Amino acid sequence: GENVEQHPSTLSVQEGDSAVIKCTYSDSASNYFPWYKQELGKGPQLIIDIRSNVGEKKDQRIAVTLNKTAKHFSLHITETQPEDSAVYFCAAFRDVSSYKLIFGSGTRLLVRP
Amino acid sequence: NAGVTQTPKFQVLKTGQSMTLQCAQDMNHEYMSWYRQDPGMGLRLIHYSVGAGITDQGEVPNGYNVSRSTTEDFPLRLLSAAPSQTSVYFCASSDHTATEAFFGQGTRLTVV
Repeated sequence: GENVEQHPSTLSVQEGDSAVIKCTYSDSASNYFPWYKQELGKGPQLIIDIRSNVGEKKDQRIAVTLNKTAKHFSLHITETQPEDSAVYFCAAFRDVSSYKLIFGSGTRLLVRP
Repeated sequence: NAGVTQTPKFQVLKTGQSMTLQCAQDMNHEYMSWYRQDPGMGLRLIHYSVGAGITDQGEVPNGYNVSRSTTEDFPLRLLSAAPSQTSVYFCASSDHTATEAFFGQGTRLTVV
């Protein structure tokens, strides 16, 4: 089955700097890769996603890149702000009929003011 | 719009007790899932359902049962609680595109 590895487990950056979180997946048939943000005491929320037919997607200060050949994808946050501090999860999804959304182990991001 | 509602928010069980974690969604979503969240291990899929009457196992199904008699509800049953089941449990739902998953607020379960 699918296995998703996520690095780093913790990341501390200065406000205004960029943050990059990386994930690798094992199942070459996976075709959808979302990123979720979890704030303290809450459930995860989708912040951006990418499909396997796209190499990069941007939404304001966040972007996701996908390398299908290497089976890895990354989250990039630019001009970080204290409110970006949270736990971020990557995930991989194979197909609609099986609907197994498999998550990475999470990255705790701390943005220092 | 309530979204995904989980009850209870907190629960303490003794080893061997049984209980049901409730999950309900009001978005008419076909897909529903249960995850457990443990420190350093992310969100692990327990069971999922692609529609009423259809369920399947995820990554860590042992010790848990589910059923999906209606579109709205997807309860998770612990038949005989063990300390290893101490965790935070999240229920999630998605529409037929199976893209964005909407999560509940979670249930923090402690088994002593």
